[in-house]
Formats: sequence, C-alpha cells, structure tokens
Amino acid sequence: AQKITQTQPGMFVQEKEAVTLDCTYDTSDQSYGLFWYKQPSSGEMIFLIYQGSYDEQNATEGRYSLNFQKARKSANLVISASQLGDSAMYFCAMRELGDSGYALNFGKGTSLLVTP
Amino acid sequence: ETGVTQSPTHLIKTRGQQVTLRCSSQSGHNTVSWYQQALGQGPQFIFQYYREEENGRGNFPPRFSGLQFPNYSSELNVNALELDDSALYLCASSFRGHPYEQYFGPGTRLTVT
Repeated sequence: AQKITQTQPGMFVQEKEAVTLDCTYDTSDQSYGLFWYKQPSSGEMIFLIYQGSYDEQNATEGRYSLNFQKARKSANLVISASQLGDSAMYFCAMRELGDSGYALNFGKGTSLLVTP
Repeated sequence: ETGVTQSPTHLIKTRGQQVTLRCSSQSGHNTVSWYQQALGQGPQFIFQYYREEENGRGNFPPRFSGLQFPNYSSELNVNALELDDSALYLCASSFRGHPYEQYFGPGTRLTVT
C-alpha cells in the first residue's frame, strides 16, 4: 500500500504568489517524521523541512512551512513568495522506525513550475 | 552544500555486467542509505548501513549489495545488471542520533543497455 500520496502531478504558480503542495500519509506508528525535499533537474535531493509526529507546532524554514494536520494525516508544504528558482520536483517523505531502520518512504512527487 | 559526494556522475553498462557506485558521507555522519529513483518516480529505499553493517533493507534482490568502510564511505554493488536497473542512484548520509537529518548526494545516473 502506498504510504505517501501526492495527488498533484504538476502545479503552476506565478512568481511572488504562495503555493500549497499536498501530501497525505499512512502509518499506524505513533512516532514518525515527515520530510519535504526539492529535486531540481540536476538530480540532487535538497532537504527543505522536517516535522516530527510529536511536534505541536507546524515547522517553518524561511519561505517554507509545513501544514501538519495529524488527525487527517496530511503534511502539506506551503511555499510563500514563489521564486523562479523554486521550479523543481518536490517530494514528500515519511520516516518510520521499522525493520528498515530509518528508511524514508517517498511519494511520487509534484512538479512545480513558477512563471514570471 | 551538503558535503555528500558520489561517483561517478554517469555510467553506461551492458545487461549482465556488474557495477560499483561510490558515496562519501558528510563529515560526522555514521549512517548511509542508498536509494534507487526510476524516471518519473520517487526514490525507493535499497538498504542502509551503520557501523559497517547492513541495518535495514528494502524490497531489492540480493544482487544489490553494499559496503560501508571505517571512514563511513560506502559502495553500492549491482550484479547481473538488468535493463530495469537504469535509474538515478542516490546515497544519503545521516547521524544515527539525528534521523531527521538526511542529506543526499548528487546521484549517479546509471544506464543499462
């Protein structure tokens, strides 16, 4: 079963606008972590933001914030004031401490295009 | 800059051959994980190494194997290459006590013909 679902294959946003990228997850664990990564065309996965399952406040890192709704099992990424350099693939991932150690389970990604 | 490096950046191999990919972890990190990313997909976990031992494995056959060295650098070996092994291979390093920090290298793009 898919553990991370990203329902938006592609998104467009105009420069300087805010955009929300959706992510829902499936786990029966009480302790888990949620990550967002950016992957430009070069291929490198760039860490953006982390939310622990016990964190009561939504994580923020500069222009990135994570809208964590635990009961709904969603962890949406909000990018404020979009820039042209934000155009990339964005992946949501979850870490569960299970048989695979600290493996990350990734979604299929959302392609974001920022237009002038 | 994450400090995780991978070599080579690109590689072309023939079906049935063997390949070795290399990763140097970020300074201070003692855990390394390898992921396979097929075109248009998210990365899939292959395995993880901690203190030179395999610490977890995803749904990959035994022809995918690895090593971690005392300096925490790592190798991914793939035997009997198949066309479906064509992908971007990413390594990620972390410190076991801080699992929220997983920093990825730039990846090795493997093409199997």
